[in-house]
Amino acid sequence: SQTIHQWPATLVQPVGSPLSLECTVEGTSNPNLYWYRQAAGRGLQLLFYSVGIGQISSEVPQNLSASRPQDRQFILSSKKLLLSDSGFYLCAWTPFRMPLATDTQYFGPGTRLTVL
Amino acid sequence: DAKTTQPPSMDCAEGRAANLPCNHSTISGNEYVYWYRQIHSQGPQYIIHGLKNNETNEMASLIITEDRKSSTLILPHATLRDTAVYYCIVSPDFQGAQKLVFGQGTRLTINP
Repeated sequence: SQTIHQWPATLVQPVGSPLSLECTVEGTSNPNLYWYRQAAGRGLQLLFYSVGIGQISSEVPQNLSASRPQDRQFILSSKKLLLSDSGFYLCAWTPFRMPLATDTQYFGPGTRLTVL
Repeated sequence: DAKTTQPPSMDCAEGRAANLPCNHSTISGNEYVYWYRQIHSQGPQYIIHGLKNNETNEMASLIITEDRKSSTLILPHATLRDTAVYYCIVSPDFQGAQKLVFGQGTRLTINP
């Protein structure tokens, strides 16, 4: 069976510090991977998605970047955190299936980031 | 992508059916209706999706109107564990990544 892991679960960082959040998926190959952010009291916002190693698409301009160094690893980074980067960060995956993409998205447990 | 409109909150008694409405009047012919829910401090969980026909699975039923401009998610026998924010999303069937746009959803509270 497939599982998705995220770490750390919680993180408190000062403004201006770097960030690295990691997401890994087990039990599947060639998944599509996604990073979402949920600010306090808001809905989920898609930040990045990836359909393959080294392939990253950004949905909104921001202070963050993403990388996919391995097939089942997705990393969210920042060089200098802002207060507005606080939120609940969720990683998700879908099977890579062509041509249909009506698969469900499977979400990880999330990382709660507080920038002080 | 089409946008959806949902009531911000609803209450339902435990054991009764919970009916959550969603308006998607600008939905396109190739767009599916998805429902996810998010229990507090967890990642969203897929519930069901459909295109034109009504759908049922072990969690819920999805009723889509004939003109596809609205839909209703039905939880037939709500339990306290169904308390969550429910998101109605419309998204096209497209190749590659599935880009879901989550709105504010409906906060459903199941009361004992």
